[in-house]
Amino acid sequence: SQTIHQWPATLVQPVGSPLSLECTVEGTSNPNLYWYRQAAGRGLQLLFYSVGIGQISSEVPQNLSASRPQDRQFILSSKKLLLSDSGFYLCAWSVAGGNQPQHFGDGTRLSIL
Amino acid sequence: AQSVTQLDSHVSVSEGTPVLLRCNYSSSYSPSLFWYVQHPNKGLQLLLKYTSAATLVKGINGFEAEFKKSETSFHLTKPSAHMSDAAEYFCVVSDSSNTGKLIFGQGTTLQVKP
Repeated sequence: SQTIHQWPATLVQPVGSPLSLECTVEGTSNPNLYWYRQAAGRGLQLLFYSVGIGQISSEVPQNLSASRPQDRQFILSSKKLLLSDSGFYLCAWSVAGGNQPQHFGDGTRLSIL
Repeated sequence: AQSVTQLDSHVSVSEGTPVLLRCNYSSSYSPSLFWYVQHPNKGLQLLLKYTSAATLVKGINGFEAEFKKSETSFHLTKPSAHMSDAAEYFCVVSDSSNTGKLIFGQGTTLQVKP
C-alpha cells in the first residue's frame, strides 16, 4: 500500500532563517505531488505541484520554493523565513492524471519567531 | 471554471443525531467530487469520492453523500453522530486539467455535543 511521510511534525524557526521540509511517498511510481499551506482557521492554499521529476509549478508568488530531486521526494524550501510563513504545511500525492483523490501527510506546524 | 461552496461554516449536533453538511459545486463538465475530514493538527483524510458511477456514495465511518446534478449539490450525511466525528470537513471538486489539482471549499466545522 502507499504511504506518505512528512517531517518534521513541528518546527520553530527565527525570522530570516532557512527552511527545508521534506515529503516522501512509498508504494507508487510517478505520482503527482503537492504542497499546501493552511493558515489558522482557514482553508487550504496550494503552493506548488509537480507532475514529474524536476517539474515544479508555482501557484502563488512568495518566499518559498519547491524541488523534486527524485520521483517520490518533494522538498519545500526558503532561504529566509518571514513571519507570514507561519502555518500548517501539508504534502499530498495523487495518481498521475486528473480526477483523482489526493492523499495527505500528517503536516508540519511551522512557527516563526 | 470549477468551484465549490460549503453552505455552513459551523454545524452543531448532539451525539446520536443525524449529520448534514451541505456543499454546492459549479463545474463546466462532469466533475469528480470528494469529501475530506481533518482532525486538529492532522492531515486530511479522504472520506469518500464520486467519480460518475453511482450517485449515492458510501464512505468510511458511516458517512455517505449523494450527487444531485439537477441541484449541483453533494451533501454529506451520517445517520448518527459520534463524538469522534467532531472535526473540520472539506468538500472538494477536481479541476479540469490533468494536473490532478483539487479545488477546496472553505470547510465546515462539525461540533458534536454529548
